Amino acid sequence: DTAVSQTPKYLVTQMGNDKSIKCEQNLGHDTMYWYKQDSKKFLKIMFSYNNKELIINETVPNRFSPKSPDKAHLNLHINSLELGDSAVYFCASSQDLAGGTDTQYFGPGTRLTVL
Amino acid sequence: RKEVEQDPGPFNVPEGATVAFNCTYSNSASQSFFWYRQDCRKEPKLLMSVYSSGNEDGRFTAQLNRASQYISLLIRDSKLSDSATYLCVVMGHSGTYKYIFGTGTRLKVLA
Repeated sequence: DTAVSQTPKYLVTQMGNDKSIKCEQNLGHDTMYWYKQDSKKFLKIMFSYNNKELIINETVPNRFSPKSPDKAHLNLHINSLELGDSAVYFCASSQDLAGGTDTQYFGPGTRLTVL
Repeated sequence: RKEVEQDPGPFNVPEGATVAFNCTYSNSASQSFFWYRQDCRKEPKLLMSVYSSGNEDGRFTAQLNRASQYISLLIRDSKLSDSATYLCVVMGHSGTYKYIFGTGTRLKVLA
């Protein structure tokens, strides 16, 4: 069974469109994350949720809106897609955020290409 | 200065070689340290945590030097399967905990 799953795996779309990426974890973790990995392979955190509450919101355009319907799911909706949004988006989860020592488990990534 | 810096490589080494990577971090208040491995077009996976006293897991040894603010990863007897990008990760706290990733060091082990 996949611990952290994301759909879709690949997403190709036109500029200006709105798209969503879904993430689910079956590890029973309390904390979930979205990361963006750009063409230079730099992995940067975008958002973090702990028990459905937003904990981390890095400097991300407000076209990006995370939604956590329950602690096992963290979806990412992106409005008005731009060329610069092309990247690989990784979802991750960890048992807890407070301890700072928990391993993060990553999903397989969603490769977004904006044309 | 970047919060976490790594030499991007690539490090091209023959099978059986020993190779070492360093990573420096800027925030002296950083609390936890990790090495992750990322294969091409795959997700990052934890390789090992880095403890103050240093730790070893088979052919892999990690060290932390808080005074100089760097961590290291040593791989002995390199295998072809070790070819990957190795990401240095530092857990910092600025209001809340978050992982800060280095850009990774690419390793190619050659037959």
